[in-house]
Amino acid sequence: AQKITQTQPGMFVQEKEAVTLDCTYDTSDQSYGLFWYKQPSSGEMIFLIYQGSYDEQNATEGRYSLNFQKARKSANLVISASQLGDSAMYFCAMREGRPGLSGNTPLVFGKGTRLSVIA
Amino acid sequence: ETGVTQSPTHLIKTRGQQVTLRCSSQSGHNTVSWYQQALGQGPQFIFQYYREEENGRGNFPPRFSGLQFPNYSSELNVNALELDDSALYLCASRPATTDTQYFGPGTRLTVL
Repeated sequence: AQKITQTQPGMFVQEKEAVTLDCTYDTSDQSYGLFWYKQPSSGEMIFLIYQGSYDEQNATEGRYSLNFQKARKSANLVISASQLGDSAMYFCAMREGRPGLSGNTPLVFGKGTRLSVIA
Repeated sequence: ETGVTQSPTHLIKTRGQQVTLRCSSQSGHNTVSWYQQALGQGPQFIFQYYREEENGRGNFPPRFSGLQFPNYSSELNVNALELDDSALYLCASRPATTDTQYFGPGTRLTVL
């Protein structure tokens, strides 16, 4: 089974509108972390936002917020006031277990969603 | 700006050759991980190093090997290159105080 599922291969949004990118995850661990990364065409993975499994509040970072619904195992990314520079691939990723100082902390990624912002 | 750099940016090799990719991360980032991203896919975990020891490995054959050095730099070595090794290779480092991995810009490897 897929650990991270992103069901939207591509999304379009009008500039200045909000958009939600979907992500569901599968784990039996109680401790885990969820991440969203942005990958422009240049290739670099840019960290956007993080949600820990024990965090009670939804994470927010500027125009990015993470809609964390633990019972449904979903961690959707909401981008408010979309800008042309938001056009990129967006990846949801999960780290299972406690990382610790030296913990083996591989990220498992979904297949990504390509977001296109239209002027 | 993540403070993680990778070299070279692009590389072209032929099947059977060997390649070394390099990564440099920030001071204090004791954990470094390498990922392979094939075209149209999400990154796949290759291995992780902590204080110069490998402490985690994904589903990659032994011809993928690595090193981490005391100066927070690391290498990914791939022997006997195959056509399917063509991909973007990403290095990511993590400081001890956070759960977040910060990625470099990647090395795009083409195997002909």
